[in-house]
Amino acid sequence: DAMVIQNPRYQVTQFGKPVTLSCSQTLNHNVMYWYQQKSSQAPKLLFHYYDKDFNNEADTPDNFQSRRPNTSFCFLDIRSPGLGDAAMYLCATSREPQLAGFVAGSYEQYFGPGTRLTVT
Amino acid sequence: GIQVEQSPPDLILQEGANSTLRCNFSDSVNNLQWFHQNPWGQLINLFYIPSGTKQNGRLSATTVATERYSLLYISSSQTTDSGVYFCAVPDSNYQLIWGAGTKLIIKP
Repeated sequence: DAMVIQNPRYQVTQFGKPVTLSCSQTLNHNVMYWYQQKSSQAPKLLFHYYDKDFNNEADTPDNFQSRRPNTSFCFLDIRSPGLGDAAMYLCATSREPQLAGFVAGSYEQYFGPGTRLTVT
Repeated sequence: GIQVEQSPPDLILQEGANSTLRCNFSDSVNNLQWFHQNPWGQLINLFYIPSGTKQNGRLSATTVATERYSLLYISSSQTTDSGVYFCAVPDSNYQLIWGAGTKLIIKP
């Protein structure tokens, strides 16, 4: 089955120690997203890739970086995790057409199972 | 920007009961999604429903775009239906605007 895969499902890291979370997809979607979700809250968009074009949300801390080496894979790098970065990290994908006048975000987003990050 | 409100915030039901969850949005949209987040944190797509009615087993959803609301119906609830139900609509630039969610607890 086509799907969005995230590894690892659970990650424990030490305060200040860099960590990388990975996401892969077999849906061949051109857009990939990273969300952060803290307990009892809705997911918060960190950034997204439209093909190779990187789009950062204005309030995403510089501590968070992302890489998309190819269509299938996307990585979230946290350079110096703090206690406040403990959260569920969700990867999502969508297929967005490249049409003049098209309203972005109109198409269904598919989510991976998430990686729960603990910072000690 | 678009505001999304969900009601009720919490719902506790006995197994077998039916329920209706509501999502109101403040502006016209061309997409609306319903998600179920299970107790393990996994976010599961339920419906992509910009307008009209869709059904999937015991779940169905209706979006009335002209009146800016969507309803999620759960019939014959099971304990596995427990979790948080989110609706989300797009703003510009790929941003999904999420409701605060409805936390559903189904008691055996």
